[in-house]
Amino acid sequence: AQSVTQLDSQVPVFEEAPVELRCNYSSSVSVYLFWYVQYPNQGLQLLLKYLSGSTLVKGINGFEAEFNKSQTSFHLRKPSVHISDTAEYFCAVSDRVGSNDYKLSFGAGTTVTVRA
Amino acid sequence: EADIYQTPRYLVIGTGKKITLECSQTMGHDKMYWYQQDPGMELHLIHYSYGVNSTEKGDLSSESTVSRIRTEHFPLTLESARPSHTSQYLCASSDSTRQGVVPYTFGSGTRLTVV
Repeated sequence: AQSVTQLDSQVPVFEEAPVELRCNYSSSVSVYLFWYVQYPNQGLQLLLKYLSGSTLVKGINGFEAEFNKSQTSFHLRKPSVHISDTAEYFCAVSDRVGSNDYKLSFGAGTTVTVRA
Repeated sequence: EADIYQTPRYLVIGTGKKITLECSQTMGHDKMYWYQQDPGMELHLIHYSYGVNSTEKGDLSSESTVSRIRTEHFPLTLESARPSHTSQYLCASSDSTRQGVVPYTFGSGTRLTVV
């Protein structure tokens, strides 16, 4: 199974500042990559995914992530955060089991706190 | 609007009680999953199912059990709750029958506290 490391457990950031959340995974063998967001007292919501093709992936709410195969990384970025971006962010990586089958491994999460 | 529902959202229960956490999805997904989430820790897969009458244990050992009698329903049961079971439990589903990768859809979770 994949091992996923989110390098920052807590990221405080001021409103309208940029933010980057770092994610590294253990294997460069064919994988699918995801970022999920969890707002307080809610479940996980998909932000974006990388399946193949362009290494720069755009997601919802102005987030984007870049897949770097050589560095086995999938860092998440947003150029200007809002208070409403305060949440926990999870990086997830899959092992492809079959043509449409995969299992996800999650990182420990990064808590982003946006301050005015 | 959520297509996967978990009840209850919060549960406080005494040690030794039997509990069932409910999870239902209306998307017709064949696969369903239970994850355990503790603060500051990664989500751990405790159970999954590939379809009706299919259940498998996940990567993290758990004293809970699951059943999949209907496609849309994947309840998790603890026969005798203990304080060590205190955690958040997240249910998810995915569709392996469609072309391409369908990301997991998660429910809102059940936060369980055993006192």
